[in-house]
Amino acid sequence: DGGITQSPKYLFRKEGQNVTLSCEQNLNHDAMYWYRQDPGQGLRLIYYSQIVNDFQKGDIAEGYSVSREKKESFPLTVTSAQKNPTAFYLCATAPWGDSSNYGYTFGSGTRLTVV
Amino acid sequence: AQTVTQSQPEMSVQEAETVTLSCTYDTSESDYYLFWYKQPPSRQMILVIRQEAYKQQNATENRFSVNFQKAAKSFSLKISDSQLGDAAMYFCAGLNAGGTSYGKLTFGQGTILTVHP
Repeated sequence: DGGITQSPKYLFRKEGQNVTLSCEQNLNHDAMYWYRQDPGQGLRLIYYSQIVNDFQKGDIAEGYSVSREKKESFPLTVTSAQKNPTAFYLCATAPWGDSSNYGYTFGSGTRLTVV
Repeated sequence: AQTVTQSQPEMSVQEAETVTLSCTYDTSESDYYLFWYKQPPSRQMILVIRQEAYKQQNATENRFSVNFQKAAKSFSLKISDSQLGDAAMYFCAGLNAGGTSYGKLTFGQGTILTVHP
């Protein structure tokens, strides 16, 4: 059935390492988003992509990078430049330009911990 | 830019009672959508209810309803006949249908709802 798959569910990163979080969808949605969630805070937008081969920075893009080579995939790389990467990361998708269905669909998230 | 504010970090309710969660949405856009999401301990984000700003009628989904006061920028969620399964973090979110922030969902800080048996 259709949905969003985020992997891995838990990820541990050593200081100075780059790690990549996977987000795959089979909903045929054009837009994909990455959010970061910290304890006691709402979700903050890292990057988003409306179409293949195009993406924009969100509110907290520093220390992160993305790619959108396929419609189904929007991986997020947490680089060593991100000073405080421990957080819960959520991927979301939405149809683009469809005013009757503006709700996002979310994946189940990846918990990243720096060790 | 738009801002979403939830001023209640925590709320509690007795099972079968009614509770209202508050939210304000500030934007310069005239066309936008508002949402309430539920995040249970599993951390899966679940869409509870959606409201189009241009609609005067308040949205309702079973036990969940909203009170949207556009002039006051208020968007509250009412949960009737509360159930133990309603216990979760609730996020208010807004999405502008135009402007430079088109398509970007902005979230409030969340309200933790506890349901007492």
